Amino acid sequence: DTAVSQTPKYLVTQMGNDKSIKCEQNLGHDTMYWYKQDSKKFLKIMFSYNNKELIINETVPNRFSPKSPDKAHLNLHINSLELGDSAVYFCASSQNGPWKEQYFGPGTRLTVT
Amino acid sequence: DQQVKQNSPSLSVQEGRISILNCDYTNSMFDYFLWYKKYPAEGPTFLISISSIKDKNEDGRFTVFLNKSAKHLSLHIVPSQPGDSAVYFCAARSYNNNDMRFGAGTRLTVKP
Repeated sequence: DTAVSQTPKYLVTQMGNDKSIKCEQNLGHDTMYWYKQDSKKFLKIMFSYNNKELIINETVPNRFSPKSPDKAHLNLHINSLELGDSAVYFCASSQNGPWKEQYFGPGTRLTVT
Repeated sequence: DQQVKQNSPSLSVQEGRISILNCDYTNSMFDYFLWYKKYPAEGPTFLISISSIKDKNEDGRFTVFLNKSAKHLSLHIVPSQPGDSAVYFCAARSYNNNDMRFGAGTRLTVKP
């Protein structure tokens, strides 16, 4: 009964490839997010989706695109992977509205060679 | 721009003593503050939060204090236990924005 799950946990791929990371939450939350944890361990928000609407988009290259087939899923697609994309990516979800905590998935470690 | 700062990358405490983790923020629009705990190879786990209308929130061994005028918050863990050893992230967000900003984390080690 995992609350927020991500697949795969590890992803090793070559530069130039296109890859996807899947995320699912069974908490009935309205909003889902993608975070990137870089080599300096900073957690930075990339996207959030609320009711299939993108409401946050930080300065993320357009090679990254979130896809939400339904409220319980927010997948991350990455085109033309670059070495600098290597990081741990976390999916999260929360109820919409103020003062709501976010619940995180276990992370996907992406390594681009 | 680091809007949330945790200036101590690590902290070591003896079991049974108090652990105090500190966090500073710069954005005066932040009104909700959270602490997350993270073990290796796992996602951050929500620990405790506080809204700007309060200056203290307590949950068992964990207490968060907020000093709005100083833009400072702290997490107190007492008594500390070896299982508390993890990286602790401070996070903040504003009322009308789901965008949550994280600090760089503080690695807490509780020695038996």
